[in-house]
Amino acid sequence: EVQVVESGGGLIQSGGSLRLSCAASGFIVSSNYMSWVRQAPGKGLEWVSIIYSGGSTDYADSVKGRFTISRDNSKNTLYLQMNSLRADDTAVYYCVRGRDGYNWGQGTLVTVSS
Amino acid sequence: DIQMTQSPSSLSASVGDRVTMTCRASQDISNYLAWFQQKPGKAPKSLISAASSLQRGVPSKFSGSGSGTDFTLTISSLQPEDFATYYCQQYNSYPYTFGQGTKLEIK
Repeated sequence: EVQVVESGGGLIQSGGSLRLSCAASGFIVSSNYMSWVRQAPGKGLEWVSIIYSGGSTDYADSVKGRFTISRDNSKNTLYLQMNSLRADDTAVYYCVRGRDGYNWGQGTLVTVSS
Repeated sequence: DIQMTQSPSSLSASVGDRVTMTCRASQDISNYLAWFQQKPGKAPKSLISAASSLQRGVPSKFSGSGSGTDFTLTISSLQPEDFATYYCQQYNSYPYTFGQGTKLEIK
């Protein structure tokens, strides 16, 4: 069964750092496009970042230079390193498989306090 | 960035109805368009990719169409479990962008 499970969210002060993890099962992370998508409380969906199967990455302008997407092939796990966090980064962060969003995790909540 | 505009923002319908919602891209995205369903407190669920391809396990009451800049999602014979918020997303070019959502409510 294909599954992605996010972890690492929590309450963090503005300016702090946090690393989110996405453990995948049932498929190989490095063979897929993998993204992070976030949703602020009561708001719509916002694409954050992607890592291609070849390893290249892309970011939304709102997080470029502050967030880094990566993966550990040995652990079949995707990461999102978030630095210089701001209040407007507060959201549920989803790990998503595929360019077309084929599989989503349950999300992990990141709350940035000012 | 490509802007995705969904209409209407909210839609009221009855069980058994057929509804259609639209998604418009600010530039040509070919068929790189996905539709998602999201219920309160839950993660989005993929319904359709490539504008009209139903994802595995999604009932055939859902259908998508369109190409270029104009797309539609149609749901036939609405059931209580279909009342949710629906999002479109373009994955033609970065940054990928979502529409603001259409909230489908029970009349």
